[in-house]
Amino acid sequence: AQKVTQAQTEISVVEKEDVTLDCVYETRDTTYYLFWYKQPPSGELVFLIRRNSFDEQNEISGRYSWNFQKSTSSFNFTITASQVVDSAVYFCALSPSSNTGKLIFGQGTTLQVKP
Amino acid sequence: SAVISQKPSRDICQRGTSLTIQCQVDSQVTMMFWYRQQPGQSLTLIATANQGSEATYESGFVIDKFPISRPNLTFSTLTVSNMSPEDSSIYLCSVEGTGSTYEQYFGPGTRLTVT
Repeated sequence: AQKVTQAQTEISVVEKEDVTLDCVYETRDTTYYLFWYKQPPSGELVFLIRRNSFDEQNEISGRYSWNFQKSTSSFNFTITASQVVDSAVYFCALSPSSNTGKLIFGQGTTLQVKP
Repeated sequence: SAVISQKPSRDICQRGTSLTIQCQVDSQVTMMFWYRQQPGQSLTLIATANQGSEATYESGFVIDKFPISRPNLTFSTLTVSNMSPEDSSIYLCSVEGTGSTYEQYFGPGTRLTVT
């Protein structure tokens, strides 16, 4: 079975702190894709990143970085110098290569950044 | 990239009635996906809609309850039939992007409340 676990239900930090959102996945596929999405209070889903299972290089995009470790089946997301605008629900998701549009979502982590 | 629009953006319906949600994409796509997000929950795939064939439903979702049409490569509809309060959710349309980033795009969602 395929599964995504985001053990942190809610995280609260003060602005400018660094914060890491954890994501652990389960799959028997050798080829798969991992995603992160942001859902701000307005409700739309904002795509952040897609990573395939053969690319274990870490990714950095501005204040965002992602750490993909196949050995521990984790795909963690770090926000550096958090800002109030980062407050949102963040979802990690997994899709099989056989149907890349079929995303299996974790339960989400609600991040609150306080000024 | 792909721009997705959905109609209606929100609706309040009485139990026992049906609502049809429209999804329009600004480019031709092979597959379209319908997701449900129940209040405070994560997203769950309802079905995959290919143009010219019947939709493929995920476990726990049936065609009689959620009939889907896919008349062309840019449009799809999802009907929520014989609604009950448990159907109150956000329904989102999704498509795969093209190009090197292979983003999975989501529409703005239809917020449905059943009374």
